[in-house]
Amino acid sequence: DIQMTQSPSTLSASVGDRVTITCRASQSIGSWLAWYQQKPGKAPNLLIYKASSLETGVPSRFSGSGSGTEFALTISSLQPDDFATYYCQQYDYGATFGQGTKLEMK
Amino acid sequence: EVQLVESGGGLVQPGGSLRLSCAASGFTIGSYWMHWVRQAPGKGLVWLSRINSDVTRTNYTDSVKGRFTISRDNAKNTVYLQMNSLRAEDTAVYYCVRAALDGGSYFGYWGQGTLVTVSS
Repeated sequence: DIQMTQSPSTLSASVGDRVTITCRASQSIGSWLAWYQQKPGKAPNLLIYKASSLETGVPSRFSGSGSGTEFALTISSLQPDDFATYYCQQYDYGATFGQGTKLEMK
Repeated sequence: EVQLVESGGGLVQPGGSLRLSCAASGFTIGSYWMHWVRQAPGKGLVWLSRINSDVTRTNYTDSVKGRFTISRDNAKNTVYLQMNSLRAEDTAVYYCVRAALDGGSYFGYWGQGTLVTVSS
């Protein structure tokens, strides 16, 4: 099975900050990686697919990069609505989620 | 508007069974792989199972293999998850999700989730 490891588990930041969350796969997954945002009590929301493709309707301050085993989600300028938990997910072989990164207000 | 509405969750004793349903609207499930994902209270997301559009292929994560069965009724535009031999660790919110049109197992549409609690 492919394991996905996110870092950090918790990230403290302020509005306007540029933040990056990383995700590492236990084996190469090409570009078959997605990123989701989840707020408490809600279903996750797809942000990025195929490592760097922005889902329709997602603000352009979100961007994804990477291939193979190393990936990153970057938020260029944090907005108040961005404080949430973020998950990466590989879909090269089956589907596996990372453990999540909680982005909290500093 | 695409909608996925899960139902069938509730309280069940260990060893018991439940069948979850996912009613889709705004699209025809017959064109898509459909999946189930769960999230235990305060924990992360776990992919459980998927079924292809013509019901010829199903896959499961190891922890539910042999206990859970995914199925679909394209005529009713509904996906199901039959859960048997339930354990306390199956307690979670269960989400029905739609894969991408190209078959990629990433999920642009999620239901609201249905809570399953396994407890005596």
